[in-house]
Amino acid sequence: GAVVSQHPSRVICKSGTSVKIECRSLDFQATTMFWYRQFPKQSLMLMATSNEGSKATYEQGVEKDKFLINHASLTLSTLTVTSAHPEDSSFYICSASSRDVNEKLLFGSGTQLSVL
Amino acid sequence: GDSVTQMEGPVTLSEEAFLTINCTYTATGYPSLFWYVQYPGEGLQLLLKATKADDKGSNKGFEATYRKETTSFHLEKGSVQVSDSAVYFCFPDYKLSFGAGTTVTVRA
Repeated sequence: GAVVSQHPSRVICKSGTSVKIECRSLDFQATTMFWYRQFPKQSLMLMATSNEGSKATYEQGVEKDKFLINHASLTLSTLTVTSAHPEDSSFYICSASSRDVNEKLLFGSGTQLSVL
Repeated sequence: GDSVTQMEGPVTLSEEAFLTINCTYTATGYPSLFWYVQYPGEGLQLLLKATKADDKGSNKGFEATYRKETTSFHLEKGSVQVSDSAVYFCFPDYKLSFGAGTTVTVRA
């Protein structure tokens, strides 16, 4: 069935490096993908919305040069955290929607990023 | 702007107890309403939804009714099991940020 696969599930990196997180839709075409960020015991905050083939729309306060989002195909969106710093440590989760799956939202399993 | 207010947790219950998690929303229109659940170690998954007023979503023994007059979408289950231990999220539209969820722990 239709699922959203997110990788990696956990990543530890050094400060100053860049990290890429992938979100793939399996068995459906994701016309829209969403990226969220969650701090421990806090809200899931929407970071950006991306539509296939166009630039992502970022929420207020989210640095687009810091969090690069690419949605090059109907099955893949990537989030790259550039020049990561410890304050970027967080849980990142993607979701995808498509009319093929009755417009419900499917979520990836999330990525725990730890920047040392 | 549109928003949702969800009951804060954590909630701890005994098996077979009745569970209610309150959720109210504010919206300019009539959005679809969703409950998502995150079981330990797993990703978020759709539990149930309602697309218009008076609709009742149901799944796995859980129910929620879209009440326009009270702008609410409370989640209920009559008899919880240990396997229902999870974090539950309510939100009115996938374009919005949503709350931290309600952590429910069911004890045997």
